Amino acid sequence: GAVVSQHPSWVICKSGTSVKIECRSLDFQATTMFWYRQFPKQSLMLMATSNEGSKATYEQGVEKDKFLINHASLTLSTLTVTSAHPEDSSFYICSAGGAGPQHFGDGTRLSIL
Amino acid sequence: SQQGEEDPQALSIQEGENATMNCSYKTSINNLQWYRQNSGRGLVHLILIRSNEREKHSGRLRVTLDTSKKSSSLLITASRAADTASYFCATDDGSSGSARQLTFGSGTQLTVLP
Repeated sequence: GAVVSQHPSWVICKSGTSVKIECRSLDFQATTMFWYRQFPKQSLMLMATSNEGSKATYEQGVEKDKFLINHASLTLSTLTVTSAHPEDSSFYICSAGGAGPQHFGDGTRLSIL
Repeated sequence: SQQGEEDPQALSIQEGENATMNCSYKTSINNLQWYRQNSGRGLVHLILIRSNEREKHSGRLRVTLDTSKKSSSLLITASRAADTASYFCATDDGSSGSARQLTFGSGTQLTVLP
């Protein structure tokens, strides 16, 4: 079945560091990928829609300069958390797929000290 | 996008019992999907039910959809300890083009005791 790979799975870094998270579709092409954020014991909140070859679409309240998204190929989208601070600590998950079920990465746990 | 509500928030049952989770949503939908999430992992798709369907089965899973009440239920029969996870419903309102943006419910944490 379709597989989405997300890397890294865990990041611990100092405040002020920029962190890049990769999301790859391994056996299919994804013109659109989605990035979610999940706090402990809560649901997924959509942050942005990543579109191959064009600008990402951000949800209300999500700072586009803080969360940079690049979707330069049909199999790779990246989310960069710029100058991360402790409040950015969270679980970030990507997904990809067409109409129908979405395929999710295993998530990245980001901890900012 | 507004989340749907799920109840119960948490459910603890004995192995072999059935587990029922409910989901309510706010907008008209193209389809409704159920996902499972093990602790600290991504989501795994379980089942999709279209707006013109009322019931769907997959193995030990049974999903119902009532579009007049904007609600759905997920039944897991003969539960196993390995079914312990969080379960989320997600709605696709069909408005976002070929790749579907989903709106997730608040989730139910299911614990199946051995």
